[in-house]
Amino acid sequence: GQQVQQSPASLVLQEGENAELQCNFSSTATQLQWFYQSPGGSLVSLLSNPSGTKHTGRLTSTTVTKERRSSLHISSSQTTDSGTYLCAIVWSNNRIFFGDGTQLVVKP
Amino acid sequence: GALVYQYPRRTICKSGTSMRMECQAVGFQATSVAWYRQSPQKTFELIALSTVNSAIKYEQNFTQEKFPISHPNLSFSSMTVLNAYLEDRGLYLCGARDGTKNTLYFGAGTRLSVL
Repeated sequence: GQQVQQSPASLVLQEGENAELQCNFSSTATQLQWFYQSPGGSLVSLLSNPSGTKHTGRLTSTTVTKERRSSLHISSSQTTDSGTYLCAIVWSNNRIFFGDGTQLVVKP
Repeated sequence: GALVYQYPRRTICKSGTSMRMECQAVGFQATSVAWYRQSPQKTFELIALSTVNSAIKYEQNFTQEKFPISHPNLSFSSMTVLNAYLEDRGLYLCGARDGTKNTLYFGAGTRLSVL
């Protein structure tokens, strides 16, 4: 079936370190989007990146469509970056699935 | 800008009663709307996908009888949780897709507690 796998499941960093999050998916995706879920539960869209490399602020996403993988790089992490990072995939049949997420903890 | 509003933000219902939640797309036309549930300590499970001019498609383990959905136009959708029990508690999320921009927008969710 259509699956989305994220790694690592959890990550603990010291403030200032960089983070690399991975998203692998089982079938060709028409869209891929990275989200941040705050402890309160709200989803914030970070980057929409079905292919190639995109930057916004301290975030860089690289998606290699042929290899069915995407990464999210967070540079110079801050304590406020702590939370859950989710990868969402839109398949060709328009169904949208989330990965299990990466729980990031950034310590001061 | 494009936004998705969900309401109510939080709700509590008694076990066995029903609860309706709404989702409104603002600033874009939602060519499809997906409803999700995030149970405690879990990721988002897709409940159903509603595409304009197509039948609503429910995922395995979710049925129309339990989660009836209405999607009358390109900006509004509602879902009801019928006969809610403890296992139905969680955050219900509405996601709308702007087909012209191939971008997803999500509401803040409706958090359902069941007593």
